[in-house]
Amino acid sequence: AQSVTQPDIHITVSEGASLELRCNYSYGATPYLFWYVQSPGQGLQLLLKYFSGDTLVQGIKGFEAEFKRSQSSFNLRKPSVHWSDAAEYFCAVGASNFGNEKLTFGTGTRLTIIP
Amino acid sequence: EAGVAQSPRYKIIEKRQSVAFWCNPISGHATLYWYQQILGQGPKLLIQFQNNGVVDDSQLPKDRFSAERLKGVDSTLKIQPAKLEDSAVYLCASSLTQGETQYFGPGTRLLVL
Repeated sequence: AQSVTQPDIHITVSEGASLELRCNYSYGATPYLFWYVQSPGQGLQLLLKYFSGDTLVQGIKGFEAEFKRSQSSFNLRKPSVHWSDAAEYFCAVGASNFGNEKLTFGTGTRLTIIP
Repeated sequence: EAGVAQSPRYKIIEKRQSVAFWCNPISGHATLYWYQQILGQGPKLLIQFQNNGVVDDSQLPKDRFSAERLKGVDSTLKIQPAKLEDSAVYLCASSLTQGETQYFGPGTRLLVL
């Protein structure tokens, strides 16, 4: 069975600083990987996804993530954070032939932005 | 394009009571998902529908939880009777079909006292 580990429960970053959120996955085959963001009281919004091809994936809101098979990682990065980036971030791995089914989520990383 | 709609947004009940949640997916989306998100955890899939058929309900506690999507559009999730540990946010998501990107609704926050 697949699993996702987000080792950082809470991260605090200064506005304008760079950001990296860690995600490690466990899955026996080629994984389908996702990053979602959840603002308070809101549903999850897809930031980006990796199915195959280029291992550096660009997403919305200036985010990117890099798939590293050798490290079983899919870390999320942003060069300069904005106060509006404060939210909960979830990494997820999808299994099955279709890729999007049976998403398994990590426990999330809460991002706080300080002025 | 309207997003996934859910109601109610908040619900407080006492244990052993019943509760129902409603979800209206994005128009034309054949696949519908219900997730349970307990505080401090990521969402966990409860059930997945393809049109009005169940694709996966392996993690649905069937002794107390039930869900239906009779006409292949709206869906309801019911808990009867509720337990304290059912306190969570219940998220509905939909996708055009299996394998497509899932779009999430705002969720229903349930508190069981």
